[in-house]
Amino acid sequence: DSGVTQTPKHLITATGQRVTLRCSPRSGDLSVYWYQQSLDQGLQFLIHYYNGEERAKGNILERFSAQQFPDLHSELNLSSLELGDSALYFCASSLGLAGHHEQYFGPGTRLTVT
Amino acid sequence: QKEVEQDPGPLSVPEGAIVSLNCTYSNSAFQYFMWYRQYSRKGPELLMYTYSSGNKEDGRFTAQVDKSSKYISLFIRDSQPSDSATYLCAMSRGVTGANNLFFGTGTRLTVIP
Repeated sequence: DSGVTQTPKHLITATGQRVTLRCSPRSGDLSVYWYQQSLDQGLQFLIHYYNGEERAKGNILERFSAQQFPDLHSELNLSSLELGDSALYFCASSLGLAGHHEQYFGPGTRLTVT
Repeated sequence: QKEVEQDPGPLSVPEGAIVSLNCTYSNSAFQYFMWYRQYSRKGPELLMYTYSSGNKEDGRFTAQVDKSSKYISLFIRDSQPSDSATYLCAMSRGVTGANNLFFGTGTRLTVIP
């Protein structure tokens, strides 16, 4: 158990809908990262938050957004969902910027868009 | 061209064999090199990391980084059936750059009892 929790475990929704994925980092970790894992693309970085502020963006679509709250948990919002958004979404946390190479991953949320 | 290339396998070995997993990369700015293990339907689990070039050993696992060749390896000695998983290499540019990890596509390993 990495100490990172993600909810829900599974999500099935229809095209055009909006969903919210939630992540709680390990105790003491200030950085939260979101990754998308699909069969054809592997693990792709979406966005990084550090202590409540957006730090870096990767291949994140404009339909997707995220935030990190004062208690350091993070939410990833996916809207206008398309079939191609079906994937595993992982969040990871690390102590901070200096410890960024030690990222601990949650169990993931499996999103299925029908 | 992807920044990190990894042979997807699959790789199948008998129990007790030495396993060699490899990745190549193109970005010379990468400073940290990580290996993750991912069991089916689970999140990636950090095995070990190396900073810059050199070797690092942790039990049955040895990581090697050759920055001059842009090539990293993970060796697993005395492989066990419980080592059956997908192994992902990952890299990052360090504290001053973006902190996200760049992953290889993963190599699926099966250790046969």
